[in-house]
Amino acid sequence: EVQLLESGGGLVQPGGSLRLSCAASGFTFSSYTMSWVRQAPGKGLEWVSGISGSGGSRYYADSVKGRFTISRDNPKNTLYLQMNDLRAEDTAVYYCAKGYGLPHFVDHWGQGTLVTVSS
Amino acid sequence: EIVLTQSPDTLSLSPGESATLSCRASQTVSRFLAWYQQKPGQAPRLLVYDASNRATGIPDRFSGSGSGTDFSLTISSLEPEDFAVYYCQQRSVWPLTFGQGTRLEIK
Repeated sequence: EVQLLESGGGLVQPGGSLRLSCAASGFTFSSYTMSWVRQAPGKGLEWVSGISGSGGSRYYADSVKGRFTISRDNPKNTLYLQMNDLRAEDTAVYYCAKGYGLPHFVDHWGQGTLVTVSS
Repeated sequence: EIVLTQSPDTLSLSPGESATLSCRASQTVSRFLAWYQQKPGQAPRLLVYDASNRATGIPDRFSGSGSGTDFSLTISSLEPEDFAVYYCQQRSVWPLTFGQGTRLEIK
């Protein structure tokens, strides 16, 4: 059974940093593209960043380019999102998403971790 | 980036009725379009991928169709658990993009 467990969310001040993690199990992690997708309170879904199975290709939404960095540790079956220079508009639930294809649709989602950017 | 526009924003129907949700892309995405269902407080769930392929475990009352720029999701004979928000998403090119969502509510 595929499981994706996010951690690292919380309250951070504007301009601060946070690192999200996603522990994956139940599939061959290194074979799949992974992404982060976020959802602001009461709003729709927004893709944030994606990374190929090998980690050699990384993709970002314009809204986070230059501030967020996606990475993965395949031996540890873990996906990361380093978020710097956080803004109020980054407040959202962040979902870890397992992809199928490249680019991909999302065949499995984590339960999400809430990031709140506020002073 | 490819913009996906869903219609209507809200659809009010009764259990047992049929629902048709639409998704239009600003440029062709071939058949690389997926549909998701999201209920309050839950993560989205994949329903249909690549326009017309049902995901594992999805009931056959859910069906997708379309290609190019115009797509639809049809739910035949609505069940109470089908009332939720539905999103389309394209995987033709990066960045991945989602539609704004259609809320399916009980009339």
